[in-house]
Amino acid sequence: EIVMTQSPATLSLSPGERATLSCRASQTVYSHLAWYQQKPGQAPRLLIYDASHRATGIAPRFSGDGSGTDFTLTISSLEPEDFAVYYCEQRAKWPRTFGQGTKVDLK
Amino acid sequence: EEQLVESGGGLVKPGGSLRLSCAASGFTISLYTLNWVRQAPGKGLQWVASISSSGEYIYTADSLRGRFTISRDNAKNALYLQMNRLTADDTALYYCTRDLRGAAGSDRWGQGTLVTVSS
Repeated sequence: EIVMTQSPATLSLSPGERATLSCRASQTVYSHLAWYQQKPGQAPRLLIYDASHRATGIAPRFSGDGSGTDFTLTISSLEPEDFAVYYCEQRAKWPRTFGQGTKVDLK
Repeated sequence: EEQLVESGGGLVKPGGSLRLSCAASGFTISLYTLNWVRQAPGKGLQWVASISSSGEYIYTADSLRGRFTISRDNAKNALYLQMNRLTADDTALYYCTRDLRGAAGSDRWGQGTLVTVSS
């Protein structure tokens, strides 16, 4: 199976700062990558699909980049509601696999 | 409003069985691939199983195949997960999700139903 590795595990930042989250696949997933945000007590929410396409209703400060094995989720300027856990998921091959998550917390 | 609502979770003894249901409203499931994803307490997300819009194609995590069976009833707008021979490692919040057309991501998630396996 394809192993997804996210880094860092935790990112401590302040509101207004830029967040850069990484996701690496153990083999190519082409552009078949999605990003999700999960807040405590809530279900995950789709942010990005096909590596760089924002899902409906997602703010423009969220952007995705990459292809092959290396991907990035960028939050250009953190809002208070963006402090959460972020997961990447590959959809290139079965079984689908998620990264272990990156927690963005308040510095 | 498009919604997914899971039910059927609860406390079950090791070795027991449980059938989860997911009721969809606000859209017709016959157009979409549906999935189960679980999350153990304090842990990350784990894909469990997927079923294509017609039910023709089914994929299940290798570690769960033989114990977990995904199914759907498009006439009832519902998704199911039959879970057998449960162990403590199956304790998790189970989410029902809907894929975007083209299966590029899951754009709808239920709130989850909690399964606890304990004696």
